[in-house]
Amino acid sequence: DAKTTQPNSMESNEEEPVHLPCNHSTISGTDYIHWYRQLPSQGPEYVIHGLTSNVNNRMASLAIAEDRKSSTLILHRATLRDAAVYYCILRSGGAQKLVFGQGTRLTINP
Amino acid sequence: DAGITQSPRHKVTETGTPVTLRCHQTENHRYMYWYRQDPGHGLRLIHYSYGVKDTDKGEVSDGYSVSRSKTEDFLLTLESATSSQTSVYFCAISDARVVAGSYEQYFGPGTRLTVT
Repeated sequence: DAKTTQPNSMESNEEEPVHLPCNHSTISGTDYIHWYRQLPSQGPEYVIHGLTSNVNNRMASLAIAEDRKSSTLILHRATLRDAAVYYCILRSGGAQKLVFGQGTRLTINP
Repeated sequence: DAGITQSPRHKVTETGTPVTLRCHQTENHRYMYWYRQDPGHGLRLIHYSYGVKDTDKGEVSDGYSVSRSKTEDFLLTLESATSSQTSVYFCAISDARVVAGSYEQYFGPGTRLTVT
């Protein structure tokens, strides 16, 4: 499974945008980029995924570099509830398994 | 929220005893997974199932077995629990339908297992 690299922690303020980076320099052409987050004392939850083009949904946006070697999860207006560990995961096309790394612990200041 | 329940939610057991954790879903999803999460670590896949009676190993399967006799239930068994199996265990499900490469996984609330 291709590896991802994320900062261990980040901090931001409430109501400000947050950009969470992920490097995946060994990504292959069939790897999808997935983001999950885990709120305290809960199981992970799906945030967003993409292959080549930027993606938007109600929770976040995913910006994918043109060479696909990095991506950024964007929370447009952070709330206290967005404080969580965010995982960037590569999933091979057709594969069911996800391989979780250490993730980025996001702290939101009021 | 996806209909996934795990039982028990908390369990304390002694080294050497057998333990079975249950994951139950009401979504009729084909795939089911068992993960463990330890302090300072991300989730690690133990076993997964791609259909009734169809299972496969994940990255940390030693010491664990699974069974899936019906779509809605996926059981994780520790035949002889050890202290190294103290962890939080999460079950997840996903659908076979591919929606633009999603294979989105939905996770249960977790079971905290302590082996003394």
